[in-house]
Amino acid sequence: AQTVTQSQPEMSVQEAETVTLSCTYDTSESDYYLFWYKQPPSRQMILVIRQEAYKQQNATENRFSVNFQKAAKSFSLKISDSQLGDAAMYFCAYISVDSGYALNFGKGTSLLVTP
Amino acid sequence: NAGVTQTPKFRILKIGQSMTLQCTQDMNHNYMYWYRQDPGMGLKLIYYSVGAGITDKGEVPNGYNVSRSTTEDFPLRLELAAPSQTSVYFCASRDRGHAFFGQGTRLTVV
Repeated sequence: AQTVTQSQPEMSVQEAETVTLSCTYDTSESDYYLFWYKQPPSRQMILVIRQEAYKQQNATENRFSVNFQKAAKSFSLKISDSQLGDAAMYFCAYISVDSGYALNFGKGTSLLVTP
Repeated sequence: NAGVTQTPKFRILKIGQSMTLQCTQDMNHNYMYWYRQDPGMGLKLIYYSVGAGITDKGEVPNGYNVSRSTTEDFPLRLELAAPSQTSVYFCASRDRGHAFFGQGTRLTVV
């Protein structure tokens, strides 16, 4: 079974600064998707960014970008110019072929943004 | 376009009671999922379905049942509720590369 590990339970960043959230995963598959989801206090799950494993280019969505290292099975999220609205839980997730292509989640990183 | 709709948003159950969490999607997705989220944890897969009439167990299926009679609906049934089932439940559906989530149901079993 695939596992997703987020080693940082909590992170803190000042407004306008940059922060990187870490994620590693374990898989024997060669083609897969990786995601970062944001969960604010409203508990809604919001897609931040996704990466297709066969694409070498790192995905970018406005202030959010990833560093995808396929050989190292690493998928970190960089948030630039952090804003107060970025404060939330962030979950790294992997699509698992074994369970009907369900998302397999890490335990999450709580991001605090300070003024 | 409503996306994925879950009802109810909140519910308190007594131990031993039963209930059904409703989930409906209007995107014609074949893949649907039920997750539970416990405090400080990520989402864990309870059951999933790859199409109408096809369901299978995920990581934590004990105490739950599902059915999928139509593409749109994927209800989750709790039989004989236990305190260990206190959690937030999410329904999701998926297209090729992205999962869409309902707003979640906070369930408390007392």
